[in-house]
Parts: sequence; C-alpha cells; structure tokens
Amino acid sequence: GQNIDQPTEMTATEGAIVQINCTYQTSGFNGLFWYQQHAGEAPTFLSYNVLDGLEEKGRFSSFLSRSKGYSYLLLKELQMKDSASYLCAVGNTDKLIFGTGTRLQVFP
Amino acid sequence: NAGVMQNPRHLVRRRGQEARLRCSPMKGHSHVYWYRQLPEEGLKFMVYLQKENIIDESGMPKERFSAEFPKEGPSILRIQQVVRGDSAAYFCASSPPDRRELFFGEGSRLTVL
Repeated sequence: GQNIDQPTEMTATEGAIVQINCTYQTSGFNGLFWYQQHAGEAPTFLSYNVLDGLEEKGRFSSFLSRSKGYSYLLLKELQMKDSASYLCAVGNTDKLIFGTGTRLQVFP
Repeated sequence: NAGVMQNPRHLVRRRGQEARLRCSPMKGHSHVYWYRQLPEEGLKFMVYLQKENIIDESGMPKERFSAEFPKEGPSILRIQQVVRGDSAAYFCASSPPDRRELFFGEGSRLTVL
C-alpha cells in the first residue's frame, strides 16, 4: 500500500526556522519531492532527494533517510510569503504520490 | 517557453452534464498527468498518459471518467454525467523524458450545481 504522512498544520514566526516532517511507506521509490502550493495556485517544485542526506537550495533544505522512510523540509529565515501548503510526494514507478500537505502559517 | 496550459480555469456544470478539461503540456514534454484536489486535501493521482497511450489509469474512477492525449492537440479529461462530488480542482502536470520533475498547470476548478 501507499502511505505518506505529514502534519496538517504548522505555525511559525517571521525570521524563524521551521522543519516539516514527512514519513512514507510505499511499494516503490524513485525519489522524494517537495512542492509548495499557495492557496488557489499550482504546486511548484522545491526539491528532490533520491539519495540519503541533505540537499540545500538557498533558504530551503531537504533531507532524506531511505532506510527510515523519512524526509524533512527545512525553511530558514521565514518570510510572510512562505505561508503556503507544503506537499511531500514520493516517486512511485511512473507517477508521484502526494501526501495531504502541511499548511504553514507565518506570523509577523 | 510557455508553461503547462489548462482551460477552462473555471467551469460550472449542472448535475448530469458533461465536463471537458483541456491541458497542453510544456513544449518538449511528452508525459501528461492528471490529479484531482478536493478542498483542504492533497493531490490524488488519476491518470498518466503519453501521446496516444494511457500508461497508468489506476486512479481513475471506473465510470464516467475518461482521458486521452491524441497525437495532435491537448490532453482531455472528460467527466460524463457529473455529480456534486466531482466538484474539485483538476490539475494537469507534464514532465520531460527523464520524468523526474512534474510541472503543474494552474488547474481547472469544476463546480457542479
């Protein structure tokens, strides 16, 4: 079966650091993706991990542990515009399977 | 390079009518995916197509829903005899041949009255 879990909601303060966790159990694995989706808009690609470890891209970093079925997205120096949903997705054979997303609210 | 184009952006139908949603992938992309998103929920995979072929339709409801990606023209998701439960945002995504990353369109929001 396929199961991808992430927290439903998180809040944080502008300028802070937030970590969004994702655990997965899937029958196949071609990589772990993170997408950002603002309300009413299209999801946009943030990061991709296929090997264990940390991938850093500006204020955003993503970590993967394949043996633990675990990933996290780290957002540093939070800005108000980072308020959005963050979707964890697992590459499975020929498609991406998405979690339900974590809605992040950044407060001033 | 234009992104993934979906139309219509908004569509209102009465119960029992048909809905047709169109998607033109990014230039150079030959793989098209359709996802459905209900309010406050995640993206649910529906179908994966290449030109003239349905590769994986494991997420498509067995009845009333169909998808195609003809040799010429956009991919079309067709919903016959719509019901209120079909109200959702339908996102199309395309990917290049290496299929690593999906690029999403802005979505088509279907409302069934």
